[in-house]
Parts: sequence; C-alpha cells; structure tokens
Amino acid sequence: DAKTTQPTSMDCAEGRAANLPCNHSTISGNEYVYWYRQIHSQGPQYIIHGLKNNETNEMASLIITEDRKSSTLILPHATLRDTAVYYCIVQQTGANSKLTFGKGITLSVRP
Amino acid sequence: KAGVTQTPRYLIKTRGQQVTLSCSPISGHRSVSWYQQTPGQGLQFLFEYFSETQRNKGNFPGRFSGRQFSNSRSEMNVSTLELGDSALYLCASSPGSGEQPQHFGDGTRLSIL
Repeated sequence: DAKTTQPTSMDCAEGRAANLPCNHSTISGNEYVYWYRQIHSQGPQYIIHGLKNNETNEMASLIITEDRKSSTLILPHATLRDTAVYYCIVQQTGANSKLTFGKGITLSVRP
Repeated sequence: KAGVTQTPRYLIKTRGQQVTLSCSPISGHRSVSWYQQTPGQGLQFLFEYFSETQRNKGNFPGRFSGRQFSNSRSEMNVSTLELGDSALYLCASSPGSGEQPQHFGDGTRLSIL
C-alpha cells in the first residue's frame, strides 16, 4: 500500500502557483519524498525529491515540514502543459528502491 | 543523453500466447524496474533487476518474468496471456544506488484479445 495520501484533484489558473499537498505521516528516517507526474499516454516523469531540506529545481520546489510528516510540491507558474496526475511517493534508496504509487492528484490548469 | 527506450510501443496478442517486451535503460544505469499500469489497479511494481540479478519482486504470478543482460538492457516476458494482462507496461532505470531517481520510458501498450 502507498504510504502517502493526496487529495483526488485540484485546479489552478494558468500563470498562478499550484501547491500540491501530500501527507506521509508514517515516513521513516531513511525514506525520501519523491514527486512524479504522468501526462496522459506517457510514462511518469520525475520532478523532484528530498529528504528533509526544501529543494528547488527548474521544474518545481519541494517544501517538507520539519517533522517530515507532510510536504508540498509547488509549481511556481502553472501552464496548460502542467495538467497531469501528480504522484507523491516515499521510498527507501538503494536495494529497496521500488516505487509504490498511490492514486495521485489530478491537477487541471485552466486558461 | 538518451532516455529510457521501450519497444514495441503497441502490441496486440490473443489469450494463451506469450509476449516479450524490451527496455533499453539510460546509459550508465544499472538498475531496471518494471511496472504494470491498469485503470483498476493503477501503477504496480513487477520486479527490479540490478547487475543481471533480480533484486526485488512484486506480487505477480510466475507467468511474469524478466531478465537483464550485461549491457543493462532488460526484457520482460509474460506467458499464457490472460485478458487481465492488458495494460501499459512501464520500464524505469536508475543508477541503482543512492537516492538518484528512477526515469521512466513511455511504455508498451499490450492489448489481449
């Protein structure tokens, strides 16, 4: 079973920030938080990951709470091409690196 | 750098047949994982190969098997196909150690008639 819970869906206006929440209250100390997204008919695309510090890359920012029980993925300026299913996953690294996907959150970006 | 390549993209088979799917990982990646995606069950982990050895296995019947070659390319085989095997089969590669993420191909869409 997935160790994360996410809302089923959300929407945001094009050009605005999209804040996607994720709860992972049973996360272990050696588990990372990963975010992927899947656009229809394509394979999941890696977005960002983190352990306990906030992270930023060219696609998004990841904010992890101090107790690590929840996180937020931020797309700073959403575009129509960001419409996708977003998956938040907690994962061990190395030899136990299988990804357990939940249902994800469907983000709809409206014009 | 080329991404993960899966062939073929689409495949149609009939019940009882067998099928082999192929995955070429990103250059330098030693781990290849396979996933099945269906509308009902979502994305489910099948197995992972690292340095030609199966390192992890999901909860699928023995009809699903795989292998990895010395160049890290991987194949997945499904024997005695059932209607329920219709799915998108995804391959992902990673270095296999540390926290580096898995990167996915666009999958093989398998339809069973």
